[in-house]
Order: sequence, then C-alpha cells, then structure tokens
Amino acid sequence: GESVGLHLPTLSVQEGDNSIINCAYSNSASDYFIWYKQESGKGPQFIIDIRSNMDKRQGQRVTVLLNKTVKHLSLQIAATQPGDSAVYFCAEIEPWGMRFGAGTRLTVKP
Amino acid sequence: GAGVSQSPSNKVTEKGKDVELRCDPISGHTALYWYRQSLGQGLEFLIYFQGNSAPDKSGLPSDRFSAERTGGSVSTLTIQRTQQEDSAVYLCASSPPTGISYNEQFFGPGTRLTVL
Repeated sequence: GESVGLHLPTLSVQEGDNSIINCAYSNSASDYFIWYKQESGKGPQFIIDIRSNMDKRQGQRVTVLLNKTVKHLSLQIAATQPGDSAVYFCAEIEPWGMRFGAGTRLTVKP
Repeated sequence: GAGVSQSPSNKVTEKGKDVELRCDPISGHTALYWYRQSLGQGLEFLIYFQGNSAPDKSGLPSDRFSAERTGGSVSTLTIQRTQQEDSAVYLCASSPPTGISYNEQFFGPGTRLTVL
C-alpha cells in the first residue's frame, strides 16, 4: 500500500554542523507535507510545511526541499544545536489527517 | 495559551480491563484526532472528528476501540478488554476551523498506556 517512510532511522551530528533528514513518500496525489519534531515525552510539534507546487520552503534555521520527480522530502537544519535533538517525522496530509513515517532520531553531539 | 491536554499521562492496566483516555482540545478547534504511537514506531491514525459530522473511524484497529466527542469539545478514547499489544502512547491533536484544505494539528503530550 501507499506509505510515507524515512531513509535513516538515526542521525548523529556535531553541534554547529548542518543536518539533513530524508523522507520518501509514495502517494503522488498528496499535495501537502509537514515536518514534525518530537522531543522525549512530548507530543509532536510542527516545524515547517510545504505544498506540492513548491520545491523549497525556508523557516528559521530549517529548510524543506520537495522533489516530486523522485517523491522525496528532506529537512535541513542549519547550525544544529543540542536543543534540536529529537525525533523528526515527515507527514503526508490525507483528508482525514496525516500519515506519518517512522521517524528519524537526531542526536547532536557537543 | 492552553494547549491540548490529555489525561491521564500514564496508565497501567491489566490485560482484559477497559480503559478510558481523555483529550481536551484547544478551545475553538473543530477538528480532533487520535493517534497511537508504539515504541520506536511512527504515528498511527485512529479516528478523526470534524465538528458535528460523523467521525472517520477508518483507523481504529479493532471493535475494542471506540471514541466519542461530547459537545464538540472533549473526547474520550475507550479501549475494551485491553491486550498487551495495545501498549503505546496515545496522542490527541486538534486543529482550528479554516476554509483551506489543510489545518495545522496541535498535539497533546500523550497518554502512555501499559497493559500488563
């Protein structure tokens, strides 16, 4: 069936480096994607979203890239900080809600 | 302002017992969602309420799961005859009413359910 998934389950980066978290999706009909951050013991928090008519969207220290040709999303975090350590989910918008991938755990080393 | 709240934060129960999980959405939010997150897994959609419309129950894993939303606000997720595989974190989210196709969902902290 159709699904949203992540290439890398874990990612460890040095503080100050840039992080890139990847996501593959298979439902080409979806027109909206979101990245969520989930810290330990908390619910997911919205980071940034992107519509399918866009290739790139930038926020504060974060950039989401969408490649519809290969059905791939990425989240780039600039100058990664210890507070960025969390699990990051990409999500695909469905009429009823969202379909989430398994998540990537980002660990930032001091 | 107040966000989505859930209670209890932790629930330990014995196999075969019924449990009720509560969600208080953000005031004024018309949509409410329940998700389940098993250890090391992604979020699994369970059920969706939108205003006074009939809920979308397509994600409920079995007839032991049910949910209701009273007065368009508070929601209760009920799991009957709990099984060990029901152990997970149950997350609730709500979103505001708008005319666009997408509404950002605001998540509660979740209820961690452990079935012994």
